[in-house]
This record gives sequence, structure tokens and C-alpha cells, in this order.
Amino acid sequence: GDSVTQMEGPVTLSEEAFLTINCTYTATGYPSLFWYVQYPGEGLQLLLKATKADDKGSNKGFEATYRKETTSFHLEKGSVQVSDSAVYFCALSDSNAGKSTFGDGTTLTVKP
Amino acid sequence: GAVVSQHPSRVICKSGTSVKIECRSLDFQATTMFWYRQFPKQSLMLMATSNEGSKATYEQGVEKDKFLINHASLTLSTLTVTSAHPEDSSFYICSARSQGEAFFGQGTRLTVV
Repeated sequence: GDSVTQMEGPVTLSEEAFLTINCTYTATGYPSLFWYVQYPGEGLQLLLKATKADDKGSNKGFEATYRKETTSFHLEKGSVQVSDSAVYFCALSDSNAGKSTFGDGTTLTVKP
Repeated sequence: GAVVSQHPSRVICKSGTSVKIECRSLDFQATTMFWYRQFPKQSLMLMATSNEGSKATYEQGVEKDKFLINHASLTLSTLTVTSAHPEDSSFYICSARSQGEAFFGQGTRLTVV
């Protein structure tokens, strides 16, 4: 079945540091790929998405490119802020079935 | 984007009682909704797929008699945790799809004491 493997955390960075969170996937067909963010005590918020190979999703300074050849969707941000501290989930969605498969989540803490 | 509303956001119940969680699609119709469970510091695991007008489809290992799902209308799915026990304490999140994108509710933190 489908699976998502996400870089283990936790990740601790200083403000303005560069962020990379690795994500690779296994899927049949051509899934859509997502990054979600979860702040403490809250639900999931969509951060960005890509629906086909070579698409780049971007939002709030975060970027991720759908790489079919390496089955990856790594999340990057050039300069993190304290407010970016949260748990980040990589996920894929089978457009036919509609359900989502999530990675284990990576906790990011940004220190001032 | 589309909005999925989940209620309540937090609930504390006594062991042995039942708790109902509602998931509503506010500005779109959803023939299918999904229920996930998230244990502390872990990922979201799909519990079941809720289908409007028919029985839910449960993932392997999820007790259908314990987690009752009803999808009576195109905008509402409910999850009832029956005879709750402390090990059922968790964060439950629903989602629905609109125009190919999944939208998630705010989640419900259930604590069974």
C-alpha cells in the first residue's frame, strides 16, 4: 500500500536558519503530495501541495517540489522564524480513493 | 477554501460512557468523509471512511462496534466512541474532500477518565 517516510525529528534551529525536512513516498499511480502543519493543540492546516511531477508548491516562504524520479517531496525554507515552530506532516492522497496517508511528523522548534 | 467544522473541540468523559463527535462540511457537500486518530507525538492513522447513505468502511484493526460512524446527510458525519475507556483518549480528526483537495476539521481531543 501507499506509505510516506519522513525525516525523523525533532529538529531545532536558530531563527533565520535554513530548513529542510525530507519526505519520500511509495505509491501506486500518481498521487498528490502535501505538507501540513499542526500547531500545538490544533488541527491540521494545509501548508502547500503539488499535484503532478515537477510541480512546486509554495506558501509562506516554504517550498517543496514533486520529484517523481526520486519519489520525494522535501520541504524547505530559507529563513525560519520562531513562529514556524510546529509539527510538519508530509502526506499523499490517492485522487481515486480520497484518503490521505501521512508521514510520522517532524517537530520543528525555532529558537530566537 | 472549503471549511470542515468539527465539534466538540475538547471533551472529557467518564469511563464507560459514549461520546459523539460531529464533522460538518460547511460550504460543500461531501459524499465521503474520513476519520483519523492521532496519538500523542504520533502521526494520523486512518480509522474509517464514512460514506453518505451507506455503511462506513473501517481500516484493519479498528473495531466497528466501538467506533460507530453515521453519515446521514451530505454535510454531516458523526463518530461515536461507545463505552469509552482511557485507552481511547486521543485526538480525532475528520476530513472531507472538495474539488480534489482534502480539508480537515479542527480535531477533537477526547480524554476518558
